[in-house]
Amino acid sequence: GQQVMQIPQYQHVQEGEDFTTYCNSSTTLSNIQWYKQRPGGHPVFLIQLVKSGEVKKQKRLTFQFGEAKKNSSLHITATQTTDVGTYFCAGPGGAGSYQLTFGKGTKLSVIP
Amino acid sequence: GAGVSQSPRYKVAKRGQDVALRCDPISGHVSLFWYQQALGQGPEFLTYFQNEAQLDKSGLPSDRFFAERPEGSVSTLKIQRTQQEDSAVYLCASSLGAQYFDSNQPQHFGDGTRLSIL
Repeated sequence: GQQVMQIPQYQHVQEGEDFTTYCNSSTTLSNIQWYKQRPGGHPVFLIQLVKSGEVKKQKRLTFQFGEAKKNSSLHITATQTTDVGTYFCAGPGGAGSYQLTFGKGTKLSVIP
Repeated sequence: GAGVSQSPRYKVAKRGQDVALRCDPISGHVSLFWYQQALGQGPEFLTYFQNEAQLDKSGLPSDRFFAERPEGSVSTLKIQRTQQEDSAVYLCASSLGAQYFDSNQPQHFGDGTRLSIL
């Protein structure tokens, strides 16, 4: 079945440093979604990418969808303590699938 | 309500007992999903409803797991004869589901039910 892999599993950064997490799928994706889960919280939708090579920005967050639509990245510029949490990418389980397959996530810790 | 509501927030049960977890999705959301999230892992798909119809239950781990959404709104996930490996957070999510494929829709998650089996 489809697999979605994320690296790194953990990332500790000093406040103000940049952070990047990478997501790779074993199959081509029609779209990819990113979610953030704060400690003790639930996943919260951040963004959806649909087009090959698409780049979207949300303030300090930059999301990219690869040309082959098999990989994606999330980059945070100048991290803040409010960025702490686990970032998940998720893709459809297959053509016409209702499922979302989530990666294992990247847990970000920000040292003040 | 404004968001997806799940109850109870915490459930402790003895091995072998049956449990029922409730999800109240965002009003008007056609699609409803159940996920299981183990510690340090991403959510894993269990089952999907479009209104009252259960269109995909391929993620349910065993026949001890059963889900229903009889009136197309509130859903219940039932686990019979619980085992220790059932301990996890059970997340419910809903989405509008108005487009072709519901996997294209952003999903709105509830706070989850943390289930502990002793």
